[in-house]
Amino acid sequence: QLQLQESGPGLVKPSETLSLTCTVSGGSISSSSYYWGWIRQPPGKGLEWIGNIYSSGSAYYNPSLKSRVTISVDASKNQFSLKLSSVTAADTAVYYCARQNMYGYCSGATCHTPFDHWGQGTLVTVSS
Amino acid sequence: EIVMTQSPATLSVSPGERATLSCRASQSVSSNLAWYRQKPGQAPRLLIYGASTRATGIPARFSASGSGTEFTLTISSLQSEDFAVYYCQQYKNWPPYTFGQGTKLEIK
Repeated sequence: QLQLQESGPGLVKPSETLSLTCTVSGGSISSSSYYWGWIRQPPGKGLEWIGNIYSSGSAYYNPSLKSRVTISVDASKNQFSLKLSSVTAADTAVYYCARQNMYGYCSGATCHTPFDHWGQGTLVTVSS
Repeated sequence: EIVMTQSPATLSVSPGERATLSCRASQSVSSNLAWYRQKPGQAPRLLIYGASTRATGIPARFSASGSGTEFTLTISSLQSEDFAVYYCQQYKNWPPYTFGQGTKLEIK
């Protein structure tokens, strides 16, 4: 059974870099069928997509965060990582990693690509 | 960027009754829409993809419809575990993928 687990510091100081890792178990991050993504949720608020990465290393980011975000993949460890620089209190949120299934929900030539597996999430607080 | 708008923000319904949630896209997303349920303290769980197809393990009391810009999620005969927050998400035009702001389904 596929599992995703976020890990990293729960407290980051303003202006510093937030770093999180998602470890995937029960499946290979190198599969060509999936993108791997980060999504965050400020306390009491909705969901915001941060970015996705493919096993090849191709990454796509939310334009609103693009200047501060880097997502990378380490296939040898079955992990992918998030770095968010120059953080402020507005970056305080629960950060989720998730799998986006690119070919598992296809009918004919049409494929639907929802986020079908999520980690439990990790709260990161930005505070001095 | 496609803006997703959900209504109402909060819906109060009694257990056993039916709930209908709405989601509107600022431009057509065809059927490239998913619904998620988020229970308190948990990650979102995929309910629906392709605007109307239930994900694996999702009970038949969940049904959804719509295409283009207007979508509906209906939960018939509400169970205790259904009182949660529901999000719609479009995956047609990206980046960015965008979510609605959520509808909180609470016990009346």
